[in-house]
Amino acid sequence: DQQVKQNSPSLSVQEGRISILNCDYTNSMFDYFLWYKKYPAEGPTFLISISSIKDKNEDGRFTVFLNKSAKHLSLHIVPSQPGDSAVYFCAASEPSGTYKYIFGTGTRLKVLA
Amino acid sequence: DVKVTQSSRYLVKRTGEKVFLECVQDMDHENMFWYRQDPGLGLRLIYFSYDVKMKEKGDIPEGYSVSREKKERFSLILESASTNQTSMYLCASNLHGTSGGGALNFGPGTRLTVL
Repeated sequence: DQQVKQNSPSLSVQEGRISILNCDYTNSMFDYFLWYKKYPAEGPTFLISISSIKDKNEDGRFTVFLNKSAKHLSLHIVPSQPGDSAVYFCAASEPSGTYKYIFGTGTRLKVLA
Repeated sequence: DVKVTQSSRYLVKRTGEKVFLECVQDMDHENMFWYRQDPGLGLRLIYFSYDVKMKEKGDIPEGYSVSREKKERFSLILESASTNQTSMYLCASNLHGTSGGGALNFGPGTRLTVL
């Protein structure tokens, strides 16, 4: 059973506009959520994270929003750039003292110039 | 910056061969992980290790084993490769497990094809 879901396999956005990537989860015990970006033939790179006690975290062009009641998080990229074209994975971590990260299936973002 | 390196970027093996994938990290991290990435399935955890000689099964350990003889090195072994093990294999490390939302640092991946 998929505990972390990314229901949109792909997304296309015009350069300069906002990209919104969504992620849903089922386990209310997750205490951190992370976003990773992956280019083809490279390993994922960490982008941004958010603690379950917060509802927003911002880093430059990237903002992550967390809605705990809906068990939903989203990553906003503003403005989108062609270099942002990649696969984005959301991940959730189980509480401290464990080592497990649960990844979603990924969303392929294409930013059109 | 943490560097995680994997011994091969691309590998082609035959069914039934024993395959070794090597991973080395240079930041004295306690924890190391092996994931595989398949289209539509995301990243799935095969095995992880939280200390030298310690290992724990992940979600899909069948057909794999691991070895961690030194802190910096974590090896994934396919005992008898099968075509359904064709995949992208990703090694990762971090210092504190999931504490404080500690991010994983990934290597570049090994694309394994089993014929």
